[in-house]
Amino acid sequence: DVKVTQSSRYLVKRTGEKVFLECVQDMDHENMFWYRQDPGLGLRLIYFSYDVKMKEKGDIPEGYSVSREKKERFSLILESASTNQTSMYLCASSSPDRPGRGYTFGSGTRLTVV
Amino acid sequence: DAKTTQPNSMESNEEEPVHLPCNHSTISGTDYIHWYRQLPSQGPEYVIHGLTSNVNNRMASLAIAEDRKSSTLILHRATLRDAAVYYCILRGWNTNAGKSTFGDGTTLTVKP
Repeated sequence: DVKVTQSSRYLVKRTGEKVFLECVQDMDHENMFWYRQDPGLGLRLIYFSYDVKMKEKGDIPEGYSVSREKKERFSLILESASTNQTSMYLCASSSPDRPGRGYTFGSGTRLTVV
Repeated sequence: DAKTTQPNSMESNEEEPVHLPCNHSTISGTDYIHWYRQLPSQGPEYVIHGLTSNVNNRMASLAIAEDRKSSTLILHRATLRDAAVYYCILRGWNTNAGKSTFGDGTTLTVKP
């Protein structure tokens, strides 16, 4: 079964810490995405990557950075975590030459910054 | 990115059909219509997609208007396990292959 795996289901970090959220996919997809989800705000795109070492800002990139050194892995980095970054983070992947095919999402990481 | 509009919430009785609407008036000719659902504490999962013709799969049916400016996800017999948030998005052919915009979706409540 194809999968997108996020390294942690729940995470608690302190304000000011550097936080890494890891995402791995086994479908050889070129595109990978990081979303955050907050009540009443739907899914908001933070960053996406369409190839190794390539990245583009989404709708809410402030306070985040990303890394894609290998095709299967896409990391979201919070350089200095703040309480307003407490949220559910969702990783997804897709294939660009098959828009008829959809996204595959991970199960999410619920991050709490205290 | 073209956007979609969905009602915030809908209710259904168990065993009855459910029709979840989605408006996408700015859809382009090459945009696919996708539906996802998100169960509590899980990531969204794919339900169905279509381009122009109506589509059926084991989970649901998708009815697409002739002008493609709206679509309807049909659950033929709602069960309690169908209670979820349903998202309608558009995915197109472009260089970066569709970073799609997810709205708030429709929260479906199924009553026993």
